[in-house]
Amino acid sequence: AQTVTQSQPEMSVQEAETVTLSCTYDTSESDYYLFWYKQPPSRQMILVIRQEAYKQQNATENRFSVNFQKAAKSFSLKISDSQLGDAAMYFCAYNFNKFYFGSGTKLNVKP
Amino acid sequence: DAGVTQSPTHLIKTRGQQVTLRCSPKSGHDTVSWYQQALGQGPQFIFQYYEEEERQRGNFPDRFSGHQFPNYSSELNVNALLLGDSALYLCASSRADRHNYGYTFGSGTRLTVV
Repeated sequence: AQTVTQSQPEMSVQEAETVTLSCTYDTSESDYYLFWYKQPPSRQMILVIRQEAYKQQNATENRFSVNFQKAAKSFSLKISDSQLGDAAMYFCAYNFNKFYFGSGTKLNVKP
Repeated sequence: DAGVTQSPTHLIKTRGQQVTLRCSPKSGHDTVSWYQQALGQGPQFIFQYYEEEERQRGNFPDRFSGHQFPNYSSELNVNALLLGDSALYLCASSRADRHNYGYTFGSGTRLTVV
């Protein structure tokens, strides 16, 4: 069964610093997709970054990048130059026809 | 270009009642998925609709049912409400031929069962 584990319920980072959020998953599939979503208090899930499992190159989107280790089934998110607006719940998600979400990491950004 | 629209935003119901939640997908999207997000947890997949049929279903009882209309909008119905049904219900839309490029989520309906 597919499961997604986020072992950090809450993290804090100083503004302008870098933070890494961890995620591991379990699957027997070889071709799938991984996502990081941000959920601010407005409740809407906002796509942060997407990784295709068959691509070895780690995805990047401006200040956001991932470290995808397929063999280890690890998919961490690095946020560089953290901004106050980055504060939110972050969910790691695995997708193979439907989403499986982790339990989330609450990110606090300190000014 | 409107994104995913969900209504109502908040709802309070009594145990045993029935509720209907509504979702209008993003323009150009033809597939609608529903998720339940309990407080402090990640969303859990309820079911997915495409071409007015339920394509996939998660581990939810038959009290949870849905419908998709010809204009791709969708409804989620929950019968015989339990206190444990209190949650944020998220709708996500996508294109059937581009599922894995990501879904667009709505802001959800907060359901409280008392």
